[in-house]
Amino acid sequence: DAKTTQPTSMDCAEGRAANLPCNHSTISGNEYVYWYRQIHSQGPQYIIHGLKNNETNEMASLIITEDRKSSTLILPHATLRDTAVYYCIVRVDGNDMRFGAGTRLTVKP
Amino acid sequence: DVKVTQSSRYLVKRTGEKVFLECVQDMDHENMFWYRQDPGLGLRLIYFSYDVKMKEKGDIPEGYSVSREKKERFSLILESASTNQTSMYLCASSWGAYSSYGYTFGSGTRLTVV
Repeated sequence: DAKTTQPTSMDCAEGRAANLPCNHSTISGNEYVYWYRQIHSQGPQYIIHGLKNNETNEMASLIITEDRKSSTLILPHATLRDTAVYYCIVRVDGNDMRFGAGTRLTVKP
Repeated sequence: DVKVTQSSRYLVKRTGEKVFLECVQDMDHENMFWYRQDPGLGLRLIYFSYDVKMKEKGDIPEGYSVSREKKERFSLILESASTNQTSMYLCASSWGAYSSYGYTFGSGTRLTVV
């Protein structure tokens, strides 16, 4: 599976959109992009995933560039409860999920 | 609400003890996984299972074994606990091997070996 690069930490003001970037320049055509988050002392929580097209669900939007070498997770109106570590993972179907260090997002009042 | 349940939230065991960490899922998932999480090292895969009675080594299987006698239950066994196995242990499950759906995690077991 391709490796990902994420910023170590980010801040966001409450109520504003949080845009979390992820680089995956070696992604191959059959690899999906997944996003998870982990709130302190809890297990990771699935947020969203996509292959080529942009995706949206009740939690977030996922924007994947046309060349698929990077993606952005968007939390449209961040709240204090969105403070967490966010993991970007690329994975081929059938492979297990490998987590990197992620981005620590702090939402500030 | 679908769930992955880990039997203990906190556990303290002595060095040399045999330790069982239990994980049960109610989603009829084929796949189950055990990770450990340590500060600065992220989540590391210990073992996983794609079916009953099947097991595969992850990245750090040394000192651990697993058991999957029933589809819904995946146990992690520390044969002889050591202090370097003090960690947060996370269980996860997912649909079959060729599904793109993600994993569902349990809340974790914080194990301290003294």
